Amino acid sequence: QVQLVESGGGVVQPGRSLRLSCAGSGFTFSSYGMHWVRQAPGKGLEWVAAILYDGSSKYYADSVKGRFTISRDNSKNTLYLQMNSLRAEDTAVYYCAKEVEESRFLEWLFDFWGQGTLVTVSS
Amino acid sequence: DIVVTQSPDSLAVSLGERATINCKSSQSVLYSSNNKNYLAWYQQKPGQPPKLLISWASTRESGVPDRFSGSGSGTDFALTISSLQAEDVAVYYCQQYYSTPPITFGQGTRLEIK
Repeated sequence: QVQLVESGGGVVQPGRSLRLSCAGSGFTFSSYGMHWVRQAPGKGLEWVAAILYDGSSKYYADSVKGRFTISRDNSKNTLYLQMNSLRAEDTAVYYCAKEVEESRFLEWLFDFWGQGTLVTVSS
Repeated sequence: DIVVTQSPDSLAVSLGERATINCKSSQSVLYSSNNKNYLAWYQQKPGQPPKLLISWASTRESGVPDRFSGSGSGTDFALTISSLQAEDVAVYYCQQYYSTPPITFGQGTRLEIK
């Protein structure tokens, strides 16, 4: 069965960096676009970043552009989110999400999400 | 960016009764070339990640009970639960995927038992 397992969250001071990982299994990881979506405590969902199946195209929300970098290692079935210059408003549960279909293009629709990893930015 | 607004913010419905959640987009999400509405609904139960219920405004995902249905076109959509069950208590989100990036979600509707 499909599994997405995020890791790397924790408490970090403002201005510092953190790298999240998402290990995928149960599907052909290298054939699917992948996304990061976050949810601040008690709030709604905010899309953060997306990457094409082969890593050739990447997209970011304006709120994280220039600070966050999405990447993937298809040989390790793993998705990453490098987060630099963290701010208090980046505090959230970060989910990785898998697209619904194998495609050379992003479908922007998610059929499976991981359980999430909590990032807390605080001094 | 397309703004997606849900109503109401919270809703309390008796068991067995109908629940309807509305979703309005700031511009049409209907793609004329394929006549598809790029609108999805997710269910998020406490402590869990979101679960995709409906895509293309009205296509139920595999395994989703048929008491869940989606309707609407263009800018106005609805998620209806025909007969509320206790396990349906959750927050529901709509999401547009017509104009990307970014995708945008509604603010969520909390559904409770009356």
